Amino acid sequence: GAGVSQTPSNKVTEKGKYVELRCDPISGHTALYWYRQSLGQGPEFLIYFQGTGAADDSGLPNDRFFAVRPEGSVSTLKIQRTERGDSAMYLCASSPGTGVWVFYGYTFGSGTRLTVV
Amino acid sequence: GQSLEQPSEVTAVEGAIVQINCTYQTSGFYGLSWYQQHDGGAPTFLSYNALDGLEETGRFSSFLSRSDSYGYLLLQELQMKDSASYFCAVSKAAGNKLTFGGGTRVLVKP
Repeated sequence: GAGVSQTPSNKVTEKGKYVELRCDPISGHTALYWYRQSLGQGPEFLIYFQGTGAADDSGLPNDRFFAVRPEGSVSTLKIQRTERGDSAMYLCASSPGTGVWVFYGYTFGSGTRLTVV
Repeated sequence: GQSLEQPSEVTAVEGAIVQINCTYQTSGFYGLSWYQQHDGGAPTFLSYNALDGLEETGRFSSFLSRSDSYGYLLLQELQMKDSASYFCAVSKAAGNKLTFGGGTRVLVKP
């Protein structure tokens, strides 16, 4: 696609429920990143994929968070047993590759606003 | 760990010049990026500095001093549409993830 697409744009869920957030990167982009952004703060790194593998998952806050990218394109961020503290904007970004591609920046999607009530 | 410091808010009038400073502490520094984010929108890439010096892109310029662990974003000929949050972000040599600062909210007044 022309840009990074994230669905749903908004998600309201009850505490304790399971949610899945989807990211469709730009076609051909091999690197994909997930960030979380709370109101008034900068994006906080969660995980990034190079192809199908998670190259760095050091930002995942605990084992309730998990992400997959089985075919090296679409990625799903999965959150189990959601808590009110998980409420935030979840941003996905992609780039053509890693390393020198940082010179050209990431392309971010518009995000999924997750609200846990 | 890594930390980035930037001012929380800056206000200026149309046509003015604004400089947003960013100081960082990180091991394995590779480069400094700048992103713009309008309220409710996605962050968009503005510039990247890997070497010392000034990079100019239209009305926006970015500067890096590796020895001082310091950079800045310069916004010239401010326009109302420049009202947004601006984030500096560092990338490390060992990987490609970006670590973002807390952002500077720029408010442009008529």
